[in-house]
Amino acid sequence: DVKVTQSSRYLVKRTGEKVFLECVQDMDHENMFWYRQDPGLGLRLIYFSYDVKMKEKGDIPEGYSVSREKKERFSLILESASTNQTSMYLCASSTPWTGHTGELFFGEGSRLTVL
Amino acid sequence: SQQGEEDPQALSIQEGENATMNCSYKTSINNLQWYRQNSGRGLVHLILIRSNEREKHSGRLRVTLDTSKKSSSLLITASRAADTASYFCATDRYDKIIFGKGTRLHILP
Repeated sequence: DVKVTQSSRYLVKRTGEKVFLECVQDMDHENMFWYRQDPGLGLRLIYFSYDVKMKEKGDIPEGYSVSREKKERFSLILESASTNQTSMYLCASSTPWTGHTGELFFGEGSRLTVL
Repeated sequence: SQQGEEDPQALSIQEGENATMNCSYKTSINNLQWYRQNSGRGLVHLILIRSNEREKHSGRLRVTLDTSKKSSSLLITASRAADTASYFCATDRYDKIIFGKGTRLHILP
């Protein structure tokens, strides 16, 4: 079975802390994505990556950075957490696109609360 | 910005009835996908329909796509309690997959 694993299901952090959200996939997928999901706003794309050491900004990259040192691992970093970053964070991966987008495989999500 | 918008936002039906959800989008697409999300979990891919296809079936799911109207519909036939979930359409915009806000489906016993 294909698997996308997010390191923490629930996290509670304090304002100003540096937060790392880790995501690992075992499908040898080139593409990886980070979304956040908020009530009434749906899923919004934060960052994505098509290859190792490569990253692209999504629709809401402000306040976030990412790291992709290995193909299977894509990390989301909150340099200085703020309360408005309290959210559900979803990682996903997919095979390369050839003009016809493939399906995304999602992790179970990481619910972050910033106090 | 949102590419796809689902309608209705919420839907409650009796078990055994059919459920229909709609998705409208703004710009041309290569394909459209539907996903399901159980409460507090990740999303699960249901079905993908390409822009040159008009209808696709998978088990109790039927998806239609009308590119002239920029809309799609997801029909779940003979609904079950386990179908209670949120359903999202997703479209490709340039090289990104963009999701709508979802339809919350509740199946009543």
